[in-house]
Amino acid sequence: SAVISQKPSRDICQRGTSLTIQCQVDSQVTMMFWYRQQPGQSLTLIATANQGSEATYESGFVIDKFPISRPNLTFSTLTVSNMSPEDSSIYLCSVSQQGRGNYGYTFGSGTRLTVV
Amino acid sequence: GDSVTQMEGPVTLSEEAFLTINCTYTATGYPSLFWYVQYPGEGLQLLLKATKADDKGSNKGFEATYRKETTSFHLEKGSVQVSDSAVYFCALRFQGGSEKLVFGKGTKLTVNP
Repeated sequence: SAVISQKPSRDICQRGTSLTIQCQVDSQVTMMFWYRQQPGQSLTLIATANQGSEATYESGFVIDKFPISRPNLTFSTLTVSNMSPEDSSIYLCSVSQQGRGNYGYTFGSGTRLTVV
Repeated sequence: GDSVTQMEGPVTLSEEAFLTINCTYTATGYPSLFWYVQYPGEGLQLLLKATKADDKGSNKGFEATYRKETTSFHLEKGSVQVSDSAVYFCALRFQGGSEKLVFGKGTKLTVNP
């Protein structure tokens, strides 16, 4: 299965600033996903990022707040813009892969963001 | 839309007790179903999965059977250990091309010695 390197692993940021999270995969993947996990909560999908097209955002998430780049099949970034304390969460990237008639999902280790 | 309803926690058990965490789903068609585990301070790991009705996923002593008739995928383990303490998430994979996962709210399990 794919190996994902996500960074930074954690950060403490001032409100009103922006943070860009990077996700690097060791193999080419078609779809990458960005999730948010608020404290004590489940994972909520922010958007799906396909290479060569605009990301598809879920209800409640907008591009101005969470711009995403997907320049190639192994890399993506998520930016959390104009941050407020409510953005304090763990952000995770994920990829889906199919092989040998099977498929699965791999998750990055997450970025723990604290906004002060 | 497709959704997952998972037993809310927290769940506290003694070592060697039997574990069941309930998960039911609502979906059109036949989704694939997953259980993920998140150990304290760690990332999300796939525990087991099932892709069609009557499939049984199993791993590390955990099992779950895809029951189409009851739209359920309950997680079970016959004898839990302290090391099983974690948060468990049930998830389903959408049919129809988007490939995204929808997660349940998660169940925190604490196993005491």
